[in-house]
Amino acid sequence: EIVMTQSPASLSVSPGARATLSCRASQSISSNLAWYRQKPGQAPRLLIYGASTRATGVPARFSGSGSGTEFTLTISSLQSEDLALYYCQQYNDWPYTFGQGTKLDI
Amino acid sequence: QVQLVQSGAEVQKPGASVKVSCKASGYLFTNNYLHWVRQAPGQGLEWMGIINPSGGSTQYAQKFQGRITITSVTSTGTVNMELSSLRSEDTAVYYCARTSSRGGMDVWGQGTTVTVSS
Repeated sequence: EIVMTQSPASLSVSPGARATLSCRASQSISSNLAWYRQKPGQAPRLLIYGASTRATGVPARFSGSGSGTEFTLTISSLQSEDLALYYCQQYNDWPYTFGQGTKLDI
Repeated sequence: QVQLVQSGAEVQKPGASVKVSCKASGYLFTNNYLHWVRQAPGQGLEWMGIINPSGGSTQYAQKFQGRITITSVTSTGTVNMELSSLRSEDTAVYYCARTSSRGGMDVWGQGTTVTVSS
C-alpha cells in the first residue's frame, strides 16, 4: 500500500497570504495525484488532478506541482473560504490512498 | 447537472449489516467508475473500494475484504455498498464519488451517516 504523508498537520495564515502544503508518497506515483478541499460539514471537492491541472471551476489561486514522490499545493492570496481541510490522494495503484490532511486556519 | 444522491442516515447495532445506495444522474452511468470513501468523526478520508458500473468489476481495500460488497444496477443508475459485521469503529460518514476520466474524484455524493451503537 502506498502511504501518503502530508505536512504540516495544521497551518495558520493571514488573509491575502500564500500557503504551501506538502504531500509525499512512499513510492513513485508519477503524476497520479489529486488534491481536495473539504469545508466543515461538506463533502470534499476536487481541486487538482494530474498533480498540476486545476479541476473545472477551481480558482487560479490554487496551483499544484511535483511528480514522483514529492508534491505541493500552493494557495496564493488566501481567502476566508479557504479555511478548510486539504487532502492529497494517489490514484496510481490500488488501494487508492489519502494523506491524513492539512488543516488551514485563517 | 451531474449529481450523486445517497440514501439517508442509518443506525445499526454491532454485528448487523448496512446498505448505502448512491444514485447517479446527469451523465452516462457506465462511463465512470464509482468509489466509496468514508470519514470517521474527526478523522481523515479512507478509501474503501471501487466499482466499474460497466460489467460490475470491483476492487476493495484489504482492510474491508470479506465485509464489503459493492454492486451496481445499470437500469437505475445506482451503486450500492453493503458493509457487514458492523462494529463501533464503522461509525462514519460514507461517501460515493465518481472517478473523473482525467483523474481524481470529481463528483461526490452528499454523504450518509452510519452510526453503530447498541
